[in-house]
Amino acid sequence: GENVEQHPSTLSVQEGDSAVIKCTYSDSASNYFPWYKQELGKGPQLIIDIRSNVGEKKDQRIAVTLNKTAKHFSLHITETQPEDSAVYFCAASSTVSGGSNYKLTFGKGTLLTVNP
Amino acid sequence: KAGVTQTPRYLIKTRGQQVTLSCSPISGHRSVSWYQQTPGQGLQFLFEYFSETQRNKGNFPGRFSGRQFSNSRSEMNVSTLELGDSALYLCASSPEGTGELFFGEGSRLTVL
Repeated sequence: GENVEQHPSTLSVQEGDSAVIKCTYSDSASNYFPWYKQELGKGPQLIIDIRSNVGEKKDQRIAVTLNKTAKHFSLHITETQPEDSAVYFCAASSTVSGGSNYKLTFGKGTLLTVNP
Repeated sequence: KAGVTQTPRYLIKTRGQQVTLSCSPISGHRSVSWYQQTPGQGLQFLFEYFSETQRNKGNFPGRFSGRQFSNSRSEMNVSTLELGDSALYLCASSPEGTGELFFGEGSRLTVL
């Protein structure tokens, strides 16, 4: 089955700096790579995703890059703010049996702390 | 649009008991997935239901079961609780064919 490794497990940055979280995956059939943000006491929230036909995607201060050859993808947050402090999870998925449903495998998470 | 609703939010059980958790998906979402979240293992997939049928299943023992009703609401049950079942149980609904998961806030189960 799919295996997703995520690094680092903790990351501390100063407000205004950039933060980068990296993930690798094992299944070359994976074609969907979402990122989730989980704040304390809440469920994970989808913040950005990328599909295998795209190399990079941006949404304001957040960007994700994908390298299918190397089987890794990264989350980039620029101009970090204290409210960016949370646990971030990457995930990888392929469709099951070529159908329309997905089975996501998550990384272990990165605790990001943005210091004011 | 209302989000995913999970009940109860918190519960305490003792070893050997059983528990049932409930999930109401976002209106129009027919796929419901369940995940177990623990500090050591992270987010682990339990099972996924679509149109009242279990479509995918993770590597959990048979004590963990679920079902989905015709209105897409879902329940999961854990029988013969063990201390290691203490975790945050997350339900997520998804629009068909997208892979996008919308999570509820979870049910935190403590087994004493």
